[in-house]
Amino acid sequence: SQTIHQWPATLVQPVGSPLSLECTVEGTSNPNLYWYRQAAGRGLQLLFYSVGIGQISSEVPQNLSASRPQDRQFILSSKKLLLSDSGFYLCAWSVGGTSGSFTQYFGPGTRLTVL
Amino acid sequence: QKEVEQNSGPLSVPEGAIASLNCTYSDRVSQSFFWYRQYSGKSPELIMSIYSNGDKEDGRFTAQLNKASQYVSLLIRDSQPSDSATYLCAVNFITGGGNKLTFGTGTQLKVEL
Repeated sequence: SQTIHQWPATLVQPVGSPLSLECTVEGTSNPNLYWYRQAAGRGLQLLFYSVGIGQISSEVPQNLSASRPQDRQFILSSKKLLLSDSGFYLCAWSVGGTSGSFTQYFGPGTRLTVL
Repeated sequence: QKEVEQNSGPLSVPEGAIASLNCTYSDRVSQSFFWYRQYSGKSPELIMSIYSNGDKEDGRFTAQLNKASQYVSLLIRDSQPSDSATYLCAVNFITGGGNKLTFGTGTQLKVEL
């Protein structure tokens, strides 16, 4: 069966510090991968998605970036965090290719607080 | 108009009652519809998916899709306190949607003893 991991689970960072969040998926090959942010009391905002290694689509212009160095690894980064970057960061995966299945499965999330 | 709209709630129902959660979506060609449940502080978990008009039942949950009216709903029968959570509706829009889902902001459900 497929599992998705995210770490760290919680993170407290000062404004202006760098960020690196990691997501890995097990039990599937060539998945589509997604990064979402959920601010307190808000909906899910899609930040990035990837259909393959090195292929990243950005949905929202911001000071965040994403990379996919390996098939089942997705990394979210920032060089300098802003207060507005606080939130619950969720990684998700879906079956890749032309299967027609768009079901997304979420990881446990990382709660980021920027002070 | 938001692409996927949900009433934020809270929707309060007594234990054992039927909870009805509704979602409307914009006038774009869409093919896949999903309901996720999110407990406070946790990540969303998939409850059901529905692809064609009509009803789809899974245990106490029934998803209803009406593409002509652009709405999808989720019925929870015999509601339990453990059903108290935020329910997210998600839609895959064919045009410009690609592999993405568009989420509503969620409806908070409270099941009261």
